[in-house]
Amino acid sequence: GNSVTQMEGPVTLSEEAFLTINCTYTATGYPSLFWYVQYPGEGLQLLLKATKADDKGSNKGFEATYRKETTSFHLEKGSVQVSDSAVYFCALSPSTGNQFYFGTGTSLTVIP
Amino acid sequence: NAGVTQTPKFRILKIGQSMTLQCTQDMNHNYMYWYRQDPGMGLKLIYYSVGAGITDKGEVPNGYNVSRSTTEDFPLRLELAAPSQTSVYFCASSYVAGGEYEQYFGPGTRLTVT
Repeated sequence: GNSVTQMEGPVTLSEEAFLTINCTYTATGYPSLFWYVQYPGEGLQLLLKATKADDKGSNKGFEATYRKETTSFHLEKGSVQVSDSAVYFCALSPSTGNQFYFGTGTSLTVIP
Repeated sequence: NAGVTQTPKFRILKIGQSMTLQCTQDMNHNYMYWYRQDPGMGLKLIYYSVGAGITDKGEVPNGYNVSRSTTEDFPLRLELAAPSQTSVYFCASSYVAGGEYEQYFGPGTRLTVT
């Protein structure tokens, strides 16, 4: 079946620290992979995506590389800001279907 | 484009009442979805639709109904509200381009059943 596993939160970092949020997946075929961000009181927004192995998605200083050999799509940012405080969701969409599967989310708090 | 809009933003229901959560998208997307998000949890799919007139159950459909008479609208109906349905409900739509899927979310409806 299809599933996404994210690292447990919450994560608290100081401003300018390096961020990694781990995400691994199980899927049939060749899924597309996504990171969504949810700011307090808002809906989910697409942060970045990758559609095939070795693709790197990037946006707003965040990056994630589609690693088929390790079935992973870890989110990284070199220097976090207070404004990055949010909940981050890893998700996949199977190549054979039109549903999306989300991880449980990782809450990030960045302190000045 | 307004994207995906949801109404109402907040609602308090008594046990046994019914209501409809509205969802509209203006991006001409074929696919639409309803999710619920419980506190500290991820999203669970309630129902989805791949086009007007076609709907299908997701992971947690019990207690809900949907219809899709137009491409734009995908309302979610709660017939007999129960406290277990207290949650935040998100509607989403997606397009398919070159085999890729990408979802766009509405701002959510926060529902409390007491």
